[in-house]
Amino acid sequence: AQRVTQPEKLLSVFKGAPVELKCNYSYSGSPELFWYVQYSRQRLQLLLRHISRESIKGFTADLNKGETSFHLKKPFAQEEDSAMYYCALRAHNNAGNMLTFGGGTRLMVKP
Amino acid sequence: DAGVIQSPRHEVTEMGQEVTLRCKPISGHNSLFWYRQTMMRGLELLIYFNNNVPIDDSGMPEDRFSAKMPNASFSTLKIQPSEPRDSAVYFCASSAQRNQPQHFGDGTRLSIL
Repeated sequence: AQRVTQPEKLLSVFKGAPVELKCNYSYSGSPELFWYVQYSRQRLQLLLRHISRESIKGFTADLNKGETSFHLKKPFAQEEDSAMYYCALRAHNNAGNMLTFGGGTRLMVKP
Repeated sequence: DAGVIQSPRHEVTEMGQEVTLRCKPISGHNSLFWYRQTMMRGLELLIYFNNNVPIDDSGMPEDRFSAKMPNASFSTLKIQPSEPRDSAVYFCASSAQRNQPQHFGDGTRLSIL
């Protein structure tokens, strides 16, 4: 069975500082990884997915199969980045498109 | 596209009452998911449907919870009888084909007194 771990429940940084939200996974097959973001009292929104290899709102994430990680990074945090971030994994053979979510990390960007 | 629509947005009721949460997935999406979000446990998958058929309900906490999807455009999550520990935000999400991401609704904030 697959598992997603986000070791930090809370990450607090100052505006302009670099940010790295950690995500580790365990899965024996070839995974697809996602980052979702939830701003205060709003719905979860897809932020990015590893197969797209894109940068959204300045965030990037690289799938490292050797370290089984998919850390989310941004070089200069902004106050509007404060939100809850969830890492999620979809198993390659998952016909139902089910996602396994990590426990989430709350990012607080202080002025 | 209005996205995934959930109702009600907020529900406050007394313990023992029946609660019904509703979800309208995005048109054309064939997978639907119900999640529960709490501070203590984060985001938990309760059940998901594929082509209106329940595929995995192992996340449903107990028999008081039930979910149905009578057609491709509507699903309900019912709690009967409700208890204070059921208080949470319940999200519905839908997705298209297997390689597409899930799209979430705004959630229903449920408070059981």
